[in-house]
Amino acid sequence: NAGVTQTPKFRILKIGQSMTLQCTQDMNHNYMYWYRQDPGMGLKLIYYSVGAGITDKGEVPNGYNVSRSTTEDFPLRLELAAPSQTSVYFCASRPGTGGPGELFFGEGSRLTVL
Amino acid sequence: RKEVEQDPGPFNVPEGATVAFNCTYSNSASQSFFWYRQDCRKEPKLLMSVYSSGNEDGRFTAQLNRASQYISLLIRDSKLSDSATYLCVAERINDMRFGAGTRLTVKP
Repeated sequence: NAGVTQTPKFRILKIGQSMTLQCTQDMNHNYMYWYRQDPGMGLKLIYYSVGAGITDKGEVPNGYNVSRSTTEDFPLRLELAAPSQTSVYFCASRPGTGGPGELFFGEGSRLTVL
Repeated sequence: RKEVEQDPGPFNVPEGATVAFNCTYSNSASQSFFWYRQDCRKEPKLLMSVYSSGNEDGRFTAQLNRASQYISLLIRDSKLSDSATYLCVAERINDMRFGAGTRLTVKP
């Protein structure tokens, strides 16, 4: 199993550009999450999904959009990139609630907006 | 107010020391709690879950006080390899909220 795979690993964007961060998992997990981590800070929840076709906002959803058309994929879209979106983005998944609660993370996508 | 708050540190301790990290959470509906470890520029990884009765995993002990909404992590006999950032996590109904992390450096 590959686990959680994120692409790209690194990206530089210009202000106003758009892009999609891809996330896919092969563990058949229902729950998927997108977090961002600014330097020296903890993880802030952007969006999450409890299953295909269901998404919900987290703490910092502004400037982002997500979709969940399949169990495996949970892409994160930045429509008009701003310098404040420079961060490391982590995608994570877990089977559901009630279990051990372990989140399985991807290796992260480092985004710089100039 | 942040939903999960931690002392950011840094904690600089010698090998063999005992060190304790504290964490508080504000949402009384939080159901489960965890400690994650994050190495520099890496993804977080689960260190241990935190149970109401307290639990131990080798040199690591976690405690939960629901009345005070307080979680702790104790590391005994610190090793150089324990140097990392430790993240406190509170699980709500469907999502998980992270604290800002406490950085630990263990020195020879």
